[in-house]
Amino acid sequence: AQKITQTQPGMFVQEKEAVTLDCTYDTSDQSYGLFWYKQPSSGEMIFLIYQGSYDEQNATEGRYSLNFQKARKSANLVISASQLGDSAMYFCAMSLADSWGKLQFGAGTQVVVTP
Amino acid sequence: DTEVTQTPKHLVMGMTNKKSLKCEQHMGHRAMYWYKQKAKKPPELMFVYSYEKLSINESVPSRFSPECPNSSLLNLHLHALQPEDSALYLCASSQFRPGLAGGISSYNEQFFGPGTRLTVL
Repeated sequence: AQKITQTQPGMFVQEKEAVTLDCTYDTSDQSYGLFWYKQPSSGEMIFLIYQGSYDEQNATEGRYSLNFQKARKSANLVISASQLGDSAMYFCAMSLADSWGKLQFGAGTQVVVTP
Repeated sequence: DTEVTQTPKHLVMGMTNKKSLKCEQHMGHRAMYWYKQKAKKPPELMFVYSYEKLSINESVPSRFSPECPNSSLLNLHLHALQPEDSALYLCASSQFRPGLAGGISSYNEQFFGPGTRLTVL
């Protein structure tokens, strides 16, 4: 069975600084997708970025980039130039090919951005 | 329209009540999902519908009964719930990209609704 590990339960980051959120995964499948979602206190899960297991380039979406190291099975999220609105819970998730879309989430990292 | 809507936002019910949660999307997605999220925990998948047919039931107790009456609508019928069923219930939808051996491809960006906060007394 696949497993997602986020080792940072919480972190503080100063506004305008960059922050890296760690995510490691464990699967024996060769085909899978990795996702990062943001969940503000309001509860809605907001999709941030996706990386496919066969993608050779690291994914980027605006201020978000995913540092994908396949051999190490890590998929860290980098948020550049943090903003106060980035304060939220961040979840790393994985979906295996042909798993009917099931997202397996990590425990999450609570990020607080301070002025 | 890139929005998934859920009603109601909040629901309080007794253990003998019957209630329903509603989820709607108009993005043309043919896969829809129900997740349950307890406080300070990640979401856990409950059900997956693809093309209005139940594809996955993650061993959810029968007091939760999903229904997909059409491609835009997903309901979750609740009956005889327990206090431990109190949680945030999230609905999501995605395009159905077939995987190589059936199922849904792992490229599966899911759009989530704002959730229904359910309290069972």
